[in-house]
Amino acid sequence: AQTVTQSQPEMSVQEAETVTLSCTYDTSESDYYLFWYKQPPSRQMILVIRQEAYKQQNATENRFSVNFQKAAKSFSLKISDSQLGDAAMYFCAYGGANSKLTFGKGITLSVRP
Amino acid sequence: NAGVMQNPRHLVRRRGQEARLRCSPMKGHSHVYWYRQLPEEGLKFMVYLQKENIIDESGMPKERFSAEFPKEGPSILRIQQVVRGDSAAYFCASSPDRAEAFFGQGTRLTVV
Repeated sequence: AQTVTQSQPEMSVQEAETVTLSCTYDTSESDYYLFWYKQPPSRQMILVIRQEAYKQQNATENRFSVNFQKAAKSFSLKISDSQLGDAAMYFCAYGGANSKLTFGKGITLSVRP
Repeated sequence: NAGVMQNPRHLVRRRGQEARLRCSPMKGHSHVYWYRQLPEEGLKFMVYLQKENIIDESGMPKERFSAEFPKEGPSILRIQQVVRGDSAAYFCASSPDRAEAFFGQGTRLTVV
């Protein structure tokens, strides 16, 4: 079975600064996807970024980028130029061959003005 | 193209009643997933359905819970004889493939 671990329950960042959220996972599959989802107080799950495991290049979406280390099974999210609207819960998720997602416990990110 | 629609947004049930949660996937999506989120936790997979078929129900409790995705109409997650421990947010997601899942806004079930 796959597992996803987010060991930091919460983090804080100053507005306009950069923050990195950590995630590790465990799997025996070779073909899979990794995701970061944002959940603001509205509870809506918003896809931030995704990474295909077969791609060596790290995914980037505007201010969001990942550091994907396949051998180490590590998948961290970097948020650059943090904005107040980035404050939310962030979940790391694994998507394998059976299509269902396995989520970490999440991390609460606060942004200080 | 409307997103994944879940209703109701909030549902209050007394212990022993039935709860019915509905999910209309995005147009063209034939894969539907249900997840449950307990307070301060991540989402936990419950069931994966395609039209008229349950593909994977490994996350569903063995009793009281059932799900369907009929040929016509929304997917339904049914919880019979609800108990306080069923109180949670229930999310539905749909996808055209496994590359990306689009989530609804969830249904918050409160059992009193």
